[in-house]
Amino acid sequence: NAGVTQTPKFQVLKTGQSMTLQCAQDMNHEYMSWYRQDPGMGLRLIHYSVGAGITDQGEVPNGYNVSRSTTEDFPLRLLSAAPSQTSVYFCASSYSGTHSAETQYFGPGTRLLVL
Amino acid sequence: DAKTTQPNSMESNEEEPVHLPCNHSTISGTDYIHWYRQLPSQGPEYVIHGLTSNVNNRMASLAIAEDRKSSTLILHRATLRDAAVYYCILSNYGQNFVFGPGTRLSVLP
Repeated sequence: NAGVTQTPKFQVLKTGQSMTLQCAQDMNHEYMSWYRQDPGMGLRLIHYSVGAGITDQGEVPNGYNVSRSTTEDFPLRLLSAAPSQTSVYFCASSYSGTHSAETQYFGPGTRLLVL
Repeated sequence: DAKTTQPNSMESNEEEPVHLPCNHSTISGTDYIHWYRQLPSQGPEYVIHGLTSNVNNRMASLAIAEDRKSSTLILHRATLRDAAVYYCILSNYGQNFVFGPGTRLSVLP
């Protein structure tokens, strides 16, 4: 299994541009999520999904959209990039997201720089 | 969401044991205690988790206080590869993980 994969690894955008960060998992996990991590800080939840067709907002959803058309993929869209969205983005998945003891699996991250 | 408190940083010498503390005074009876770590330039990875009893796996041990208001992650022999940020997280049914700043562990050769 490849686990959780993310593309691209690094991206530079200009203010106002839009882009999609890709996330895929091959573990048949129902739960997927997106986090951002700013320098020296912990991860903050952007959006999450408990299954195909179901998404919900996390702690910092503004400026981001998500959709979940398949179990495997959970893309994150930046609608109009701003310098404040410069960060490292991590995608994660777990079996169902409902059981307290579930392990979350994280991707390697996408480093985004918005100029 | 349930909260945890960890020291900002700790140092250890290589091949010595490391005890990483975590306080969670508002823990509920059904909260699981999870530990993840994040190596430099990587995503977080699972280390260990437990509910009430102490737990051991190939990476570490988790010691949970009898009142469950604190726990300690134990690395039995620290290696240079264990230098990372360690996160202590509480999780309950249907709740998302909440990451604090964690403890940055430095391992000295």
